[in-house]
Amino acid sequence: GQNIDQPTEMTATEGAIVQINCTYQTSGFNGLFWYQQHAGEAPTFLSYNVLDGLEEKGRFSSFLSRSKGYSYLLLKELQMKDSASYLCAVHYSGNTPLVFGKGTRLSVIA
Amino acid sequence: ETGVTQSPTHLIKTRGQQVTLRCSSQSGHNTVSWYQQALGQGPQFIFQYYREEENGRGNFPPRFSGLQFPNYSSELNVNALELDDSALYLCASSLAGAYQETQYFGPGTRLLVL
Repeated sequence: GQNIDQPTEMTATEGAIVQINCTYQTSGFNGLFWYQQHAGEAPTFLSYNVLDGLEEKGRFSSFLSRSKGYSYLLLKELQMKDSASYLCAVHYSGNTPLVFGKGTRLSVIA
Repeated sequence: ETGVTQSPTHLIKTRGQQVTLRCSSQSGHNTVSWYQQALGQGPQFIFQYYREEENGRGNFPPRFSGLQFPNYSSELNVNALELDDSALYLCASSLAGAYQETQYFGPGTRLLVL
């Protein structure tokens, strides 16, 4: 199978930094997406990583290590509105659809 | 706002009934993918339509079927509803039928089967 593993839940304090990890099977890997999903709403695109390294977009950064089958999403200066589920999704090579992890539910507390 | 719309927003059906869900893609996008998201789970791929043809299908039974129209809007039909079909149904549009493209999701239809 093509299991995508993420922690189920995380809690962090407003203003802090949190890192959400995602591991996946490396065989056939093509690229990795991160989506944010607020409760009851649609997922919204955050980032797409194909190459190794860190990509920064404002308070959010995403890191990829292709050889290790590992990615993380880094959220800085946490705000209450960052409380949401964060979905890791992998595209494997060929005409195959995205495989989503179960998501990490992040709670930001005061 | 992604420009992807879905209707209805909520729906309650009973076991054995049939349901049709609708999706309008973002302007300029010719590809629609449908996903089922059970509570506490990630989205599961149902199928994708590209230029009115099915372009891939996930592990869902034939009672899940779909259509795409010339304006690239799409329908998901589910026959003989089962209790386990209760979920959030998401559609996502993308530019040109390649799975590695960024997908833009609609707000979803929440289906409850009693």
